[in-house]
Amino acid sequence: DAGITQSPRHKVTETGTPVTLRCHQTENHRYMYWYRQDPGHGLRLIHYSYGVKDTDKGEVSDGYSVSRSKTEDFLLTLESATSSQTSVYFCAISEEGGYTEAFFGQGTRLTVV
Amino acid sequence: AQSVSQHNHHVILSEAASLELGCNYSYGGTVNLFWYVQYPGQHLQLLLKYFSGDPLVKGIKGFEAEFIKSKFSFNLRKPSVQWSDTAEYFCAVNAHGYGQNFVFGPGTRLSVLP
Repeated sequence: DAGITQSPRHKVTETGTPVTLRCHQTENHRYMYWYRQDPGHGLRLIHYSYGVKDTDKGEVSDGYSVSRSKTEDFLLTLESATSSQTSVYFCAISEEGGYTEAFFGQGTRLTVV
Repeated sequence: AQSVSQHNHHVILSEAASLELGCNYSYGGTVNLFWYVQYPGQHLQLLLKYFSGDPLVKGIKGFEAEFIKSKFSFNLRKPSVQWSDTAEYFCAVNAHGYGQNFVFGPGTRLSVLP
């Protein structure tokens, strides 16, 4: 398995609170992604990064922000969590973006109550 | 916008049956194509990928897929499924010129009965 660690693995939080999820890689891959997985929707891209401090929005970016200050770390922040953000969040990495395969982390199950 | 569709939401097969899962995408240019598998409670793992060349690609665990450009399809096949193939299967596409992200289909849940 690729060296990808997501933390925390499980979190329950209250509506309106900020939440930060962390993705850490040891592969030195340039591209990092945050997806959310919901039944019937597959995986939907939230944000991705193509280098340190270089990020771009995905199709479901509202309510989320990201930061990448080091190659190995990609943080996803829910500014003010809502129940609609209850989901499983997956981090992925790729050496050359869509020209190579993506490797996925173990996922973070987030519940907003 | 790019989109990926997977025809079957849930497929139920008996062991040793043949499998074909459909995947279609909505982009007319050059694409890179992937199939991923997600076993219950686990993360996504790559089954196979297509970038160019022979449109019939072989992956791990006896899976193969065929790229048919004229049909915008990349169907996954396995001649004889096992109970351990029970999982969710996702097709994904990267469309050249539309960024370096991967667009996923909604997934197909496969249940294999022993």
